[in-house]
Parts: sequence; C-alpha cells; structure tokens
Amino acid sequence: GQQLNQSPQSMFIQEGEDVSMNCTSSSIFNTWLWYKQDPGEGPVLLIALYKAGELTSNGRLTAQFGITRKDSFLNISASIPSDVGIYFCAGDNQGGSEKLVFGKGTKLTVNP
Amino acid sequence: NAGVMQNPRHLVRRRGQEARLRCSPMKGHSHVYWYRQLPEEGLKFMVYLQKENIIDESGMPKERFSAEFPKEGPSILRIQQVVRGDSAAYFCASSPTVAVQPQHFGDGTRLSIL
Repeated sequence: GQQLNQSPQSMFIQEGEDVSMNCTSSSIFNTWLWYKQDPGEGPVLLIALYKAGELTSNGRLTAQFGITRKDSFLNISASIPSDVGIYFCAGDNQGGSEKLVFGKGTKLTVNP
Repeated sequence: NAGVMQNPRHLVRRRGQEARLRCSPMKGHSHVYWYRQLPEEGLKFMVYLQKENIIDESGMPKERFSAEFPKEGPSILRIQQVVRGDSAAYFCASSPTVAVQPQHFGDGTRLSIL
C-alpha cells in the first residue's frame, strides 16, 4: 500500500533550538496534515495543507505543501519542553475516500 | 482531543473472546474513520463510515472484523474471536464532510489480548 517516508525517526535537541522534519512520497497527495501525539493519547491536528506550494503557520509551527505534491515539511521554531512528543505526517491521495496514510513518526526530545 | 469520544480507553480480552470498541464523533460530524496503531508505528486506516453506510473498508481484515455506524448511537468496531495479534491501539476520527475537512481523533482504545 501507500507509504509516507518520514524523517528523521528521532531528534534530540536543546530547548530554544529550531527543528525541521519532513515527509516524502512516491505518489501525489491531495492533502497533507501534521499531527502531534503524546503518550496514551490520540493524534492532535497541528496544521492542514490543501494546495501545492501552500505555506501555513500555527504559532511557532510552520508547514509547507511541496510544489510537486509529493512532500511536506514541518518546522518548529524556538522549541520548548512541551514540544516533546511524536509528530506524524499524514496525507490523502485518493480524493473522496478521505483515507489517510500516515508516516511512521518523528520522536522529538527537548532537553531543558 | 475534545469532541471525539472513545470507550473504553483500555480493554483486556482473552483469546477467542469478542471486543467491541465504541466511538462517538464530534457534534455535527457525520463521517467516522477507524485506524489501528501498533507500537512505534504510524496509524493504519481500517474503515470509513457515514451514517448507516460503509464507504471504504479496504483496510479492514475480511474476517473477524466488522464496523457499523447506526442512525442512532456511536460507531462500533467489533472484533470477534480475538487473537494476540489484535493487540493494538484503535483510534477513531471524525470529520463533518468529505471535502477538505481534516480528521479529528479520539484518545483511542488500547486493546490487550491475554
């Protein structure tokens, strides 16, 4: 089935640093979504992207829908301890079905 | 994750028993999706339902698994004759419409098979 390649798998950073993670696919996606998941909880939507080239911010988070529609990145600026968690990219490439394909996640650790 | 309610949060079953997982979508949402997550993995799509209709069940095993979203009441994911490999976190998401609406997730049901 469809797969999203998400990298890096894990990141260890110091508080205050900026973070960048990305997702790539071999096929075109119509929608890119970024979620954060804390232990024992469900994914929480951070940013939704619907058009190629779209750049969207949510506070310290910025995400872009790649112009080729095969990739997306998420940046976090000035990281804080509560940014710790697993970040997932997800995409919809079938239109109408709304079946989301998820990456395997990037585990972020922020050292105070 | 206010809005999408899943219960129970944790469910323990012995091999061969049945597991029933419930999901109440956010108010005003008529589309429900079920996903499964294994440890250290992303979520995998199972089934997409609207009220009284299964729209896409391509990710759901053909045997032992079934899902429904009745006119009244929550959506139910049912697993019959559970096996150890069914142990996972099962997440439900909902959206108001199909077109360009992101899915919002509940906190999941952790299913453990003894």
